[in-house]
Amino acid sequence: LAKTTQPISMDSYEGQEVNITCSHNNIATNDYITWYQQFPSQGPRFIIQGYKTKVTNEVASLFIPADRKSSTLSLPRVSLSDTAVYYCLVGDMRGGATNKLIFGTGTLLAVQP
Amino acid sequence: ETGVTQSPTHLIKTRGQQVTLRCSSQSGHNTVSWYQQALGQGPQFIFQYYREEENGRGNFPPRFSGLQFPNYSSELNVNALELDDSALYLCASSLGQGTTEAFFGQGTRLTVV
Repeated sequence: LAKTTQPISMDSYEGQEVNITCSHNNIATNDYITWYQQFPSQGPRFIIQGYKTKVTNEVASLFIPADRKSSTLSLPRVSLSDTAVYYCLVGDMRGGATNKLIFGTGTLLAVQP
Repeated sequence: ETGVTQSPTHLIKTRGQQVTLRCSSQSGHNTVSWYQQALGQGPQFIFQYYREEENGRGNFPPRFSGLQFPNYSSELNVNALELDDSALYLCASSLGQGTTEAFFGQGTRLTVV
């Protein structure tokens, strides 16, 4: 399973766009990139998942360059409630593969007023 | 609200005791995974159950064991508790193997004294 590297922490202000970049140099052909959000004393929550190029949903966008060795989670116009830890994970999506999620230490995003 | 329910929410045990944690998966999900999250760390994969069979295990000793029932609910049992077992224990359910979209419960906070 590919290892991921992301910043330990980031600061932002309300209303700004936040981009969190994750490095996964050893990503395999069958790996997908997934981001989770976790608030204190709660379980992680799925945000977005992608394989290549760009994926957008109602919460965030995920940008993946052609070489797939990194990815960027983009949160538009953050609010105080977006203060959380954000985890980048890569995993094999093939049927039958054990979908154990390998979490790193994540990025603590602190949004200030 | 993910539909994944864990009980109890908090628990205090003495070193050497045994503990059983419970998880009700989201309706229709046949795969349950358990994670241990120490303070300030990302969740660590313990094991996964798929259709009542263990389907993958992380780097945890045999005193960590589990069960999955026909209704896909699950138990995590830990014997001979150690102080380092103090952590947030998370249950995640998903639909089948080969997907990294998992739905987490709120967790059980276990304190071993």
